[in-house]
Amino acid sequence: GENVEQHPSTLSVQEGDSAVIKCTYSDSASNYFPWYKQELGKGPQLIIDIRSNVGEKKDQRIAVTLNKTAKHFSLHITETQPEDSAVYFCAASIGQAGTALIFGKGTTLSVSS
Amino acid sequence: KAGVTQTPRYLIKTRGQQVTLSCSPISGHRSVSWYQQTPGQGLQFLFEYFSETQRNKGNFPGRFSGRQFSNSRSEMNVSTLELGDSALYLCASSLQGSNQETQYFGPGTRLLVL
Repeated sequence: GENVEQHPSTLSVQEGDSAVIKCTYSDSASNYFPWYKQELGKGPQLIIDIRSNVGEKKDQRIAVTLNKTAKHFSLHITETQPEDSAVYFCAASIGQAGTALIFGKGTTLSVSS
Repeated sequence: KAGVTQTPRYLIKTRGQQVTLSCSPISGHRSVSWYQQTPGQGLQFLFEYFSETQRNKGNFPGRFSGRQFSNSRSEMNVSTLELGDSALYLCASSLQGSNQETQYFGPGTRLLVL
């Protein structure tokens, strides 16, 4: 079945450093790739997303790249801050209809000051 | 604009009971999806509703069901609860339910089955 693998599972960085989280997906029909941030006791919050006709997208300190040939996409956070500490999930759309997403297992990011 | 709301936020049930969870989407959103989040399995898709019709269903047993009302509010029901049903149940809404559309999640309902 469809699968999304996410690495690393934990990531510790110093404030100001960059953080990179990588995901691979298996469904060739996937064409939408969102990233969510989840803080303790809250639901996932969308931080950035990318669609299959785009290779890279940037929003201030956050960027996402997509390589459809390799079925690989990555999240880049620059100039990390303590408030970036949270669990980050990548996801991929399932098939070509509807909104169903398959999620990676998550990366716990810790930013120390 | 108010976000996605879910009620109740916390729930404790015993094995064999049934439970109904409620989700109110963002105003104007017509698609509602439900997900189960557990430490072991992560976030897993349950089902999606659009215009009162179930459009997609994940790989969960028939004990898990849902429905959507004409005002787009949705409920999910779990019958004959098992210990393994303990989880955070999240709903997400989107405007038209297209597969490249942003979904907004609610805070979730934490269900504990004893």
